[in-house]
Amino acid sequence: DTAVSQTPKYLVTQMGNDKSIKCEQNLGHDTMYWYKQDSKKFLKIMFSYNNKELIINETVPNRFSPKSPDKAHLNLHINSLELGDSAVYFCASSRQGDSPLHFGNGTRLTVT
Amino acid sequence: GNSVTQMEGPVTLSEEAFLTINCTYTATGYPSLFWYVQYPGEGLQLLLKATKADDKGSNKGFEATYRKETTSFHLEKGSVQVSDSAVYFCASNTGNQFYFGTGTSLTVIP
Repeated sequence: DTAVSQTPKYLVTQMGNDKSIKCEQNLGHDTMYWYKQDSKKFLKIMFSYNNKELIINETVPNRFSPKSPDKAHLNLHINSLELGDSAVYFCASSRQGDSPLHFGNGTRLTVT
Repeated sequence: GNSVTQMEGPVTLSEEAFLTINCTYTATGYPSLFWYVQYPGEGLQLLLKATKADDKGSNKGFEATYRKETTSFHLEKGSVQVSDSAVYFCASNTGNQFYFGTGTSLTVIP
């Protein structure tokens, strides 16, 4: 069974559209994250939720809105997509304490 | 503040060569340290970890030792293979706040 799964794997859309990426983890972890990876492989934290509560909200345009219906799910909705939003978005989860992050396989978003 | 610095790539090695990728960290408190590997087109996978000073993490022939005195966690492998070609990320964790290095791309040629 996949531990952290995100859908879709690929997302191609036009500027100005609204899209969502879904993420689910079956590890029983309390904390979930969204990361953005640019073309140079640099990883940037976007959001972090702990038990459905937002705990990290980095400087991200408010066009990006995370939603956590329960602690196993953290979805990312993006409004009015821009060319610069093209990247690979990774969902991840972790347990409290010293535990490592577990990543999904990523969603490659291409905005044309 | 907390941060992780790792050597810039890209790194190109011949098969069976020795690999070192340097990683240093700054942290308040005592972080856990990790190396992640990202193969082309895939997500990041945990390669190894160490949670306290002098711990050695190891996996698939890779090793890294948590050195508190030099705030380092260098990744080493004695003999790389073509299948080790990937991007390697050093990371720290303090209180569920993760900090990643910029990644080091490794290409191993036959």
